[in-house]
Amino acid sequence: EVQLVETGGGLIQPGGSLRLSCAASGFTVSNNYMGWVRQAPGKGLEWVSVIYSGAGSYYRDSVKGRFTISRDNSKNTVYLQMNSLRAEDTAVYYCARISEVGGILDAFDIWGQGTMVTVSS
Amino acid sequence: DIQMTQSPSTLSASVGDRVTITCRASQSISSWLAWYQQKPGKAPKLLIYKASNLESGVPSRFSGSGSGTEFTLTISSLQPDDFATYYCQQYNHYWTFGQGTKVEIK
Repeated sequence: EVQLVETGGGLIQPGGSLRLSCAASGFTVSNNYMGWVRQAPGKGLEWVSVIYSGAGSYYRDSVKGRFTISRDNSKNTVYLQMNSLRAEDTAVYYCARISEVGGILDAFDIWGQGTMVTVSS
Repeated sequence: DIQMTQSPSTLSASVGDRVTITCRASQSISSWLAWYQQKPGKAPKLLIYKASNLESGVPSRFSGSGSGTEFTLTISSLQPDDFATYYCQQYNHYWTFGQGTKVEIK
């Protein structure tokens, strides 16, 4: 079964760090573009970061320099290292796979269940 | 940045109704648009990709159309399981979601 399972969320003080994990099953993360999307309480969806099937990555402006996306191919897992956390980073963080059709990127087709990150003192 | 604007924000409808949600992009995104359904406490679910392609397993009452800057999601006959929030998303240049349309029971 194709599945993504996120872990690592929790309550953290402003300025703190947290690492989210996204374990994949049923497919290989190294062959896919993978992303993190977040949703603040009662709000809409917002993409955070995407890692290429190669080694490159993209970040939204508000997290550049604070968040780092990475991948451990041996564990088939994607990570989001979040540093210097702010109250506005409070959200459910979803891991998602970006489908690829004929070498062209398409939509986020597989989503995890999400993990809650709360930044508060 | 490409902005995505959905309308309406909330839609009240009855079972069996035909429902249409509109999504407008701030610049042309060709057909690089997806639609997702999200229920409370759950992850989004992909319904439509590349503007009009139905994701595998999604009921045929869902359909998408449009290109350029104007897109629509249509539910031909609303079912009880369809009451949810729907998001459009562009992936022409990075990724941007619309603000969502909540479909509620009339």
